[in-house]
Amino acid sequence: KNEVEQSPQNLTAQEGEFITINCSYSVGISALHWLQQHPGGGIVSLFMLSSGKKKHGRLIATINIQEKHSSLHITASHPRDSAVYICAVLYNNNDMRFGAGTRLTVKP
Amino acid sequence: DVKVTQSSRYLVKRTGEKVFLECVQDMDHENMFWYRQDPGLGLRLIYFSYDVKMKEKGDIPEGYSVSREKKERFSLILESASTNQTSMYLCASGQGAGGNQPQHFGDGTRLSIL
Repeated sequence: KNEVEQSPQNLTAQEGEFITINCSYSVGISALHWLQQHPGGGIVSLFMLSSGKKKHGRLIATINIQEKHSSLHITASHPRDSAVYICAVLYNNNDMRFGAGTRLTVKP
Repeated sequence: DVKVTQSSRYLVKRTGEKVFLECVQDMDHENMFWYRQDPGLGLRLIYFSYDVKMKEKGDIPEGYSVSREKKERFSLILESASTNQTSMYLCASGQGAGGNQPQHFGDGTRLSIL
């Protein structure tokens, strides 16, 4: 049973659009990660957050602990943002649960 | 930059073979992990190690074993490969005894068992 739900599973956008990817989890966590997986398979850590909001360039991640929900936003999307975005939650030390991922395609 | 290197990007083996997947990290991280990734399921933890010669089972350890003889190297072993072990395998490493640190991933090994 996957304890992390991501939506949507697939997302196609036009270049320049504002993108939102959602992540919901079922119980309390100590940290939440957003990861980016490139078509070749490599995974890069984008954000780790436990409260509030973080921003890096065109990427913004927010988390609402009370609602057990996090969002990843991409402003002014670009074709190079095309990737699979994965939400992962940390329930206790070294016990991470991963969402199935959101496949984003940004068309020029 | 942290570098996590997996020995093969693509690997094809036959049913019943013993298969070794190697992972090396260069940042002296205490924790190392092996995951498999299947469509629609997300990453699932097979085994992890928090120190040399130490290992802990993850969610799906059946059919696998691991070895950590040196801090920088964590090997995943398929004792007798089966077709249901065809998957993408990802190795990761992380710092500290706790889990509140980012994990750094290798590029993955796409393993096919025929």
